[in-house]
Amino acid sequence: NAGVTQTPKFQVLKTGQSMTLQCAQDMNHNSMYWYRQDPGMGLRLIYYSASEGTTDKGEVPNGYNVSRLNKREFSLRLESAAPSQTSVYFCASNPVGTGELFFGEGSRLTVL
Amino acid sequence: KNQVEQSPQSLIILEGKNCTLQCNYTVSPFSNLRWYKQDTGRGPVSLTIMTFSENTKSNGRYTATLDADTKQSSLHITASQLSDSASYICVVSRSNDYKLSFGAGTTVTVRA
Repeated sequence: NAGVTQTPKFQVLKTGQSMTLQCAQDMNHNSMYWYRQDPGMGLRLIYYSASEGTTDKGEVPNGYNVSRLNKREFSLRLESAAPSQTSVYFCASNPVGTGELFFGEGSRLTVL
Repeated sequence: KNQVEQSPQSLIILEGKNCTLQCNYTVSPFSNLRWYKQDTGRGPVSLTIMTFSENTKSNGRYTATLDADTKQSSLHITASQLSDSASYICVVSRSNDYKLSFGAGTTVTVRA
């Protein structure tokens, strides 16, 4: 009964390094999302995928890329990390139309 | 300007006491409003959903209200417990495209 699984849970990068955050869900959900959460701000949508094979930009996509590898997996890549990308990243999924999001445990990223 | 505003930003209450959190929104057209609970270091988890026709809904010691005319919702916690210490996030869904708007959250600290 894993739900949404994110890896890694913690990561420290130097400016300019690249990395990929992995996300997998076992609930057969069509839609998947990547959010970032910063102190004092609401969760902000980076990218989302309404279904396998499609991805769309959210409100803060700059500096990120995504891949919807299959129905289960949705990865987020930082090609050249910047200190402004220091944040907690959450992956989420939901069945079509219900609105309820199921979140992973989060990935805390620090860029020095 | 954020379309979902929550107040207060934080509050501290003694164990056993009640508290009420507020959520005001401007999202339109309205589909539903959810309250999520986010424990420290974890992902948010849905507590309750309010649709246009619902005024009140309870989930254990949590009671949510919705006034769709004034675009306000509240979350009341009765007889607080230490485990209620968390951030509570209000999320409003738009009916035409299911776009989600997040509040910044209210951090509740329950002290013994």
